[in-house]
Amino acid sequence: EPEVTQTPSHQVTQMGQEVILRCVPISNHLYFYWYRQILGQKVEFLVSFYNNEISEKSEIFDDQFSVERPDGSNFTLKIRSTKLEDSAMYFCASSMRGAVNEQFFGPGTRLTVL
Amino acid sequence: GDSVTQMEGPVTLSEEAFLTINCTYTATGYPSLFWYVQYPGEGLQLLLKATKADDKGSNKGFEATYRKETTSFHLEKGSVQVSDSAVYFCARFNQGGKLIFGQGTELSVKP
Repeated sequence: EPEVTQTPSHQVTQMGQEVILRCVPISNHLYFYWYRQILGQKVEFLVSFYNNEISEKSEIFDDQFSVERPDGSNFTLKIRSTKLEDSAMYFCASSMRGAVNEQFFGPGTRLTVL
Repeated sequence: GDSVTQMEGPVTLSEEAFLTINCTYTATGYPSLFWYVQYPGEGLQLLLKATKADDKGSNKGFEATYRKETTSFHLEKGSVQVSDSAVYFCARFNQGGKLIFGQGTELSVKP
């Protein structure tokens, strides 16, 4: 069964460093998303992406964040200068064209900022 | 703004007990509603969904009915198993492609 994959599973970085979180969505999906979950809190929407551009972003998704689909398979989230409060589990998700409701999630990347 | 509220956890039950996890949503429009489950060490998996009022979503013995009059989508299962131990998330779909999640309810089922 096709699935969304994410790498790395755990990333540790120093405050102020740049990190790139990687995702491989399901191959025939066209809509891509990033969510995050700070420990003990809700899963929060960050950004949606379709046709090589951002469809919607939350207020969390400020200038420090960017997304990219550099090739036909990867979807990346970059944090330019990490802060302590960026420590969270980051989930990638994807959905098919015409079925945007049903989003399939990856296992997540746990980001720890020291 | 739009939100989803779930009952607080953790919920601890014995095997074969009846499960209810309450979920209510803010009533802006008629959003599609979902339950996702997160097993230990894994990502979020769609458990069931309902797209309009009075729809009942069901999967793996779990059920939830879209109640417009009470803006609720409570998750139920008649007889839980140890393997159902996980965190359960209620969510609503918003235009623009985003899911709005509740805070999650941890379920622990003891043999």
